[in-house]
Amino acid sequence: AQSVSQHNHHVILSEAASLELGCNYSYGGTVNLFWYVQYPGQHLQLLLKYFSGDPLVKGIKGFEAEFIKSKFSFNLRKPSVQWSDTAEYFCAVFIYNQGGKLIFGQGTELSVKP
Amino acid sequence: EAQVTQNPRYLITVTGKKLTVTCSQNMNHEYMSWYRQDPGLGLRQIYYSMNVEVTDKGDVPEGYKVSRKEKRNFPLILESPSPNQTSLYFCASSLSGTKHEQYFGPGTRLTVT
Repeated sequence: AQSVSQHNHHVILSEAASLELGCNYSYGGTVNLFWYVQYPGQHLQLLLKYFSGDPLVKGIKGFEAEFIKSKFSFNLRKPSVQWSDTAEYFCAVFIYNQGGKLIFGQGTELSVKP
Repeated sequence: EAQVTQNPRYLITVTGKKLTVTCSQNMNHEYMSWYRQDPGLGLRQIYYSMNVEVTDKGDVPEGYKVSRKEKRNFPLILESPSPNQTSLYFCASSLSGTKHEQYFGPGTRLTVT
């Protein structure tokens, strides 16, 4: 069955540290890829998305992600995190087959210490 | 302002008492969906609707009903809530299916005792 794995359930960083959150999916066909962020007590918002083209995509608030097709990965990065980045991050993959299906990862909780 | 609204935001109820959570979007989106969010499980889709009068089951539809009589509204109905339906519920909409960016509502925290 298709699945999306986020390897880190909880990440704790100090301000100014670099961030990389892993996301892997188990499907070899065409996909659209998303990272959503959920700040404490708020709804999910889109951080960035990849549909096609340049595999390095830039999103809001200094985030970027790289699609590596050979590794079925779409890792999220930020060179220097801030306290305000404390949130839960969800990777989601839209799979183009059988009518299409969007699958969310389990989420990664990021805590940034000031 | 483009948005998805949900009501109520918080609800505590008892087992077996029917309830409805409303969802409305003002973006003229074709696609609407309901998810539940549980710790360690991410978001799981309950039901979705590709357009008016067209609904289909997601991954966890048991115990839920939906209807899509108008494009803007997509209520979630729990005919006989049970404690295992205690969760955080999100409604979402998108232009046309989940291959596009989805816009999420603020969430409804439901507790069933």
